[in-house]
Amino acid sequence: SYELTQPPSVSVSPGQTARITCSGDALPKKYAFWYQQKSGQAPVLVISEDIERPSGIPERFSGSKSGTMATLTISGAQVEDEGDYYCYSTDSNSNLWVFGGGTKLTVI
Amino acid sequence: EVQLVESGGGLVQPGGTLRLSCAASGFIFSSYDMYWVRQPTGKGLEWVSGIGTAGDTHYPGSVKGRFTISRENAKNSLDLQMNNLRAGDTAVYYCARAALPYCGGDCGMDVWGQGTTVTVSS
Repeated sequence: SYELTQPPSVSVSPGQTARITCSGDALPKKYAFWYQQKSGQAPVLVISEDIERPSGIPERFSGSKSGTMATLTISGAQVEDEGDYYCYSTDSNSNLWVFGGGTKLTVI
Repeated sequence: EVQLVESGGGLVQPGGTLRLSCAASGFIFSSYDMYWVRQPTGKGLEWVSGIGTAGDTHYPGSVKGRFTISRENAKNSLDLQMNNLRAGDTAVYYCARAALPYCGGDCGMDVWGQGTTVTVSS
C-alpha cells in the first residue's frame, strides 16, 4: 500500500512561518493537495496541484514540492489557522488515493 | 449554491449492511468524479472509494469486496453500499466532489458534505 508521511504536530507563534511537510515516493510524478480541518468541521481544500491556491484561500497559504516531499507553508500564521492539516495524493498508477496521517498546527 | 448532503448513517451490528446516500445540487453532477472519505473519531481522514464520470470505480484494500460505490446521474445521487461491516468501519463518512470536471482522478476534492455517522457495534 502507498503512504504519505507527515509530522504529527507543528507549533509556531502568531506571525511566524509554519511549514508542514508531506513525503511520498510517488510525489515526484503526482500532485499533492492540502486540506485544513477545524474541529467538528468538514475539510477545506487550501492548496491544489502542488502550488495552486483555490479562490477564497488567504495568500499566506502556499505550496511547494521538491522530489518526494511536498510542503505547505503558512507565512505569518494566525490563531485562526490552528487545526489539522492533511496532504493527499495518489499512488504511481493513480488507482489509489491516500491521505497523510495529518499534522496538528498550534499557533500560540 | 454547490452542496452535498449525506444521509443513511446509523447503528449497525458487526456483519451487517448499510447504504449511504449523497444528494448533490448546484453543479452538473455527471461531469465530476465523486468520492467517499471517512474519519474515525479523533483520527485522520481515509479515502474509501471513488467513481469516475464514466462509472469506473476504485477502492482501497481495507474495503475492497465489501463496499460498492455507485452513482445515478439522472437523480444527482451518489451511494455507498457497505456490506459485512466491522467495528473498524465506525466513522463519519463524507461525500466529496472532484475539484475540476472530467479530471480523471488527479485533481483533489473541493466540495465536501457535512458527513453522516456510521457506528458498527453489537
